[in-house]
Amino acid sequence: NAGVTQTPKFRILKIGQSMTLQCTQDMNHNYMYWYRQDPGMGLKLIYYSVGAGITDKGEVPNGYNVSRSTTEDFPLRLELAAPSQTSVYFCASSQEQNTIYFGEGSWLTVV
Amino acid sequence: DAKTTQPPSMDCAEGRAANLPCNHSTISGNEYVYWYRQIHSQGPQYIIHGLKNNETNEMASLIITEDRKSSTLILPHATLRDTAVYYCIVRVGSSNTGKLIFGQGTTLQVKP
Repeated sequence: NAGVTQTPKFRILKIGQSMTLQCTQDMNHNYMYWYRQDPGMGLKLIYYSVGAGITDKGEVPNGYNVSRSTTEDFPLRLELAAPSQTSVYFCASSQEQNTIYFGEGSWLTVV
Repeated sequence: DAKTTQPPSMDCAEGRAANLPCNHSTISGNEYVYWYRQIHSQGPQYIIHGLKNNETNEMASLIITEDRKSSTLILPHATLRDTAVYYCIVRVGSSNTGKLIFGQGTTLQVKP
């Protein structure tokens, strides 16, 4: 099993550009999450999903969109990149109350 | 907002037990307590979780008070590699929602 896989690992965007961070898991987990972590800060929940076709906002959803068309994939879309979205992004998955597995992170810089 | 409160930082001598406290006074009966740690900017690493009984695994022990309003993570013999930010997390809402909110965590510094 590969666990939770995020791509790309590093990306530089210009202000106003759009991009999608990909996240896929091969553990058949129902729950998936996107977090962001600014330098020296804790993780903030952006969006989460409790199953295919179901998504909901977390603490900091503005500027982002998600979709969950399959159990495996949970992409995060940035429509109009802003410098405030410079951060490290972590995707995670879990099966109800069991262990939460995190990806290795995607480093995004908006200039 | 996070439903847990942790001290911002702690020190521990290498080889000694590290005891990391967490308050979760508003925890519901069906909510679990999870502990994760994050070394540098790596993805958070699972340590342990529990509902109401004390738990132990190869990494740590989790002690939950009888009223479930607080818990303590114990690293029995801390090493320099245990230096990290430790997060205590309570799963928010019912098991149907599963939203996970992280607090600021405790930065544990293990010193030689």
